[in-house]
Amino acid sequence: AQTVTQSQPEMSVQEAETVTLSCTYDTSENNYYLFWYKQPPSRQMILVIRQEAYKQQNATENRFSVNFQKAAKSFSLKISDSQLGDTAMYFCAFRNYGGSQGNLIFGKGTKLSVKP
Amino acid sequence: DSGVTQTPKHLITATGQRVTLRCSPRSGDLSVYWYQQSLDQGLQFLIQYYNGEERAKGNILERFSAQQFPDLHSELNLSSLELGDSALYFCASSKAGAGGYGYTFGSGTRLTVV
Repeated sequence: AQTVTQSQPEMSVQEAETVTLSCTYDTSENNYYLFWYKQPPSRQMILVIRQEAYKQQNATENRFSVNFQKAAKSFSLKISDSQLGDTAMYFCAFRNYGGSQGNLIFGKGTKLSVKP
Repeated sequence: DSGVTQTPKHLITATGQRVTLRCSPRSGDLSVYWYQQSLDQGLQFLIQYYNGEERAKGNILERFSAQQFPDLHSELNLSSLELGDSALYFCASSKAGAGGYGYTFGSGTRLTVV
């Protein structure tokens, strides 16, 4: 069974600085998808960024980028120029490739606090 | 507004009772997923429906059941409630074959069992 591990329960960063959140996963599949979701205090789950395992290029969405190391099964999230609104729980998630079946498997999350 | 509608937003009920949570997926999405998030925990997958049929089952208790109706809305039924069932219950939806784009989540139903 696939598992997702986030080894940093909590992190903090100063406003305008850069922070990296770690995520590792375990799978025997070759094709799959990886995601980072953000859950602010409102509790809404918001998709931040996604990565397709068959693409070597790291995904980027504005201030958010990932470092995808397929061989190491690592998928870290880098937040540049951190803003107070980035304060949230961040969840790494995995999904098998293909078909209409398959659920997102989440890590336990990293609580990020951005300090002024 | 994500397009996924969950009702009610909050629910307080007593132990031993039964409740029904409702989810309307985003327009055009055929898959519905239910997740449970307990306090300070990650999201635990409960069950998936695709176009009215059950497709995958996770850590769903026997006291819990779900279904998806012809209009694609889904209901999660929780019975014989216990204190430990208090949690945030999320519904998410996705288009057929588009799981690689992630799921769209509703705002959740906060269930408190007293």
